[in-house]
Amino acid sequence: EDKVVQSPLSLVVHEGDTVTLNCSYEVTNFRSLLWYKQEKKAPTFLFMLTSSGIEKKSGRLSSILDKKELFSILNITATQTGDSAVYLCAAASNSGYALNFGKGTSLLVTP
Amino acid sequence: DTGVSQNPRHKITKRGQNVTFRCDPISEHNRLYWYRQTLGQGPEFLTYFQNEAQLEKSRLLSDRFSAERPKGSFSTLEIQRTEQGDSAMYLCASSRDILGYTFGSGTRLTVV
Repeated sequence: EDKVVQSPLSLVVHEGDTVTLNCSYEVTNFRSLLWYKQEKKAPTFLFMLTSSGIEKKSGRLSSILDKKELFSILNITATQTGDSAVYLCAAASNSGYALNFGKGTSLLVTP
Repeated sequence: DTGVSQNPRHKITKRGQNVTFRCDPISEHNRLYWYRQTLGQGPEFLTYFQNEAQLEKSRLLSDRFSAERPKGSFSTLEIQRTEQGDSAMYLCASSRDILGYTFGSGTRLTVV
């Protein structure tokens, strides 16, 4: 059965810290790995990763995929209180249309 | 607002009642998805439409659940004879290509 595991499940850091969120996956016929940020309601898209070793960046956020070891990381540098959210990773396969989500990492950034 | 719209935002119902939720996708998106999310969990896939055709259904979608997308525009998700275990956030998403999802803000269902 396909699965996506995120760690840690929750994290508390101080503003300015750097955090690394982890996502491992076991997905048949893997296609892509996606990261979302969920604050109160709708998950909002951050990154989609399809190829190994190519870092994607958006401001203070970056992410990379390792298809050999079956994991991805999401880095946030110089964290701000507005980064507080649940970060979800999801795997897409070529076998269907669904995204298989992990449980998420709940990040709290304190002032 | 040109995003994905879901109604109602909140629904409280008594066990055994039927409920129906509506999702209006982004107008040019032909793909529409329903997910369910409970506290502390990631969203779980329920079903997928391409235009008006329902192409995939999760085994989570029991026979009490039915989804439609008439004319390939808005979609409805109906839950019959609700149970307390149905309490969750029901998320709708739409996309033009296969992975460019935009999620709606969800309908939070509480079954009492």
